[in-house]
Amino acid sequence: SQQGEEDPQALSIQEGENATMNCSYKTSINNLQWYRQNSGRGLVHLILIRSNEREKHSGRLRVTLDTSKKSSSLLITASRAADTASYFCATHWSNYQLIWGAGTKLIIKP
Amino acid sequence: KAGVTQTPRYLIKTRGQQVTLSCSPISGHRSVSWYQQTPGQGLQFLFEYFSETQRNKGNFPGRFSGRQFSNSRSEMNVSTLELGDSALYLCASSLGTGWTGELFFGEGSRLTVL
Repeated sequence: SQQGEEDPQALSIQEGENATMNCSYKTSINNLQWYRQNSGRGLVHLILIRSNEREKHSGRLRVTLDTSKKSSSLLITASRAADTASYFCATHWSNYQLIWGAGTKLIIKP
Repeated sequence: KAGVTQTPRYLIKTRGQQVTLSCSPISGHRSVSWYQQTPGQGLQFLFEYFSETQRNKGNFPGRFSGRQFSNSRSEMNVSTLELGDSALYLCASSLGTGWTGELFFGEGSRLTVL
């Protein structure tokens, strides 16, 4: 079963705009991760934020974590066509597995 | 360093047949996880192996099985295929010790059951 819920399910924006997607989860976590998946391909790890961190940056990516609300957001700034993909959050709780959300499909229009 | 390699990339089977998928993890990674991805159910955890032992198992029927070899390569098998088994099967590897959760995925094996 999936613990994470991404919001929105789909997002379409113009190239150059910022994209924000959200993830909510249900139980305590050790860390939360974001992955990207290009159509029909494998997932690529983007960023990991630990439960004691509130914000993390990696290039054009900014992730926030609010453990009191059990939610996280991923911001992609200055979007590019190559950012078109599905984005998944995954929570690491225990027992060596991740719990995945359903994903947000991001489309960047040229 | 070579990434995670999955074979075959595409395959077509008919109902009732069985299939074996292979995964070679990143060198030095001892943990291999398998996921099934479908449009309707999303990413579902199948099982995880570490040092040839199944460490975790998802909620799938016994038709789904796997194993890991001493070189960390892993295989998964699906017997008596059903139409609903059509999916992208993803393998991911990780160090397995002191695990923070970061996974490295292969490109997947796309199975179509007719």
